[in-house]
Amino acid sequence: AQSVTQPDIHITVSEGASLELRCNYSYGATPYLFWYVQSPGQGLQLLLKYFSGDTLVQGIKGFEAEFKRSQSSFNLRKPSVHWSDAAEYFCAVGARGGSQGNLIFGKGTKLSVKP
Amino acid sequence: DAGVIQSPRHEVTEMGQEVTLRCKPISGHDYLFWYRQTMMRGLELLIYFNNNVPIDDSGMPEDRFSAKMPNASFSTLKIQPSEPRDSAVYFCASSPLGLAAYNEQFFGPGTRLTVL
Repeated sequence: AQSVTQPDIHITVSEGASLELRCNYSYGATPYLFWYVQSPGQGLQLLLKYFSGDTLVQGIKGFEAEFKRSQSSFNLRKPSVHWSDAAEYFCAVGARGGSQGNLIFGKGTKLSVKP
Repeated sequence: DAGVIQSPRHEVTEMGQEVTLRCKPISGHDYLFWYRQTMMRGLELLIYFNNNVPIDDSGMPEDRFSAKMPNASFSTLKIQPSEPRDSAVYFCASSPLGLAAYNEQFFGPGTRLTVL
């Protein structure tokens, strides 16, 4: 069965510092991988996604993520964090093919940004 | 496109009352999902539909919860009777999966339910 682990429940970084949020997945093949962001009181917004091809994917708001098959990881990065990045971030995995349409979400990582 | 529309945005009700949450997915999307988000349990998938047919309702907590999708542009999630432990934010999402093998979902703004 698919599963997603986000080891860090809460991370605090200083504004301008770099950021890496971890995501590990369990799946029998190469999955579809997603990062979503949820600002306080809002719904989830897609940041980026990996389907195939280049393992380094670029997303909105200056975020990027790298798919590493050997480590079953899809970590999210940003070189310089802005105060507006404070939010909760969710990694998700989806199955390829078949009739299964659902995503499996991690528990989320809450990001706080210090001025 | 207006995105996924949910109503109401906020609902406060008393224990024992019936609650109906509504969702309008993005036009043309084949899949519709209902999620519940709480501090304790995070984001949980309750049920999802493909072409208006329920595919997996294993996440529905108990018989008090029911969901319908009478047509491609409307879905409801009903709780009857409601209990305080049902207090959560309920999200609806839709996906243009169709015959394609990817699962990107588009989320609505959510309905914050408080059961007193």
